[in-house]
Amino acid sequence: TQLLEQSPQFLSIQEGENLTVYCNSSSVFSSLQWYRQEPGEGPVLLVTVVTGGEVKKLKRLTFQFGDARKDSSLHITAAQPGDTGLYLCAGVGGSQGNLIFGKGTKLSVKP
Amino acid sequence: ETGVTQTPRHLVMGMTNKKSLKCEQHLGHNAMYWYKQSAKKPLELMFVYSLEERVENNSVPSRFSPECPNSSHLFLHLHTLQPEDSALYLCASSQEWGRRTEAFFGQGTRLTVV
Repeated sequence: TQLLEQSPQFLSIQEGENLTVYCNSSSVFSSLQWYRQEPGEGPVLLVTVVTGGEVKKLKRLTFQFGDARKDSSLHITAAQPGDTGLYLCAGVGGSQGNLIFGKGTKLSVKP
Repeated sequence: ETGVTQTPRHLVMGMTNKKSLKCEQHLGHNAMYWYKQSAKKPLELMFVYSLEERVENNSVPSRFSPECPNSSHLFLHLHTLQPEDSALYLCASSQEWGRRTEAFFGQGTRLTVV
């Protein structure tokens, strides 16, 4: 069974701080996606990384896919209250190519 | 209207009731999904439909019954649920199943079974 472990589970920081959240697995994924989910809403896709070692930037968010395609990280620079939410990573794997989700990192950015 | 729309947003039902959740996508996607999101658990994939055919059923109890009448609509029929079935039920769609699996989610239905 392919599993994705996300850490930390919870993160509470002040506005302006930097942070990194991690998504790790012992399995290889053909690609990995990051989503953000706000309370009362469905997850919204932020980015897809496909190539081992790939780095993608989305404004203050930097996503990296591990060289072996087993792990990924999300770094946020100068966090803002609007970044508050549940960050989910999801790997495309298995024989059917279904999305496998981690439990998520709940981020709270205080003004 | 664009994206993925789910109704109702909130539902409270007794264990003997029968209700249905509705999902509609306006993205022209070929695959649709039902996920269950419970506290402290990863999103659980329940059902997958590709081109209106069910292609995956992840050992979901028979008290959950999906229906996909066309590529834009997906239903989840509920009957004789248990309190542990209380969760956020999310519908999603993607361009194709198994390859282009970037998912677009609806806002979810918050289900409470009493």
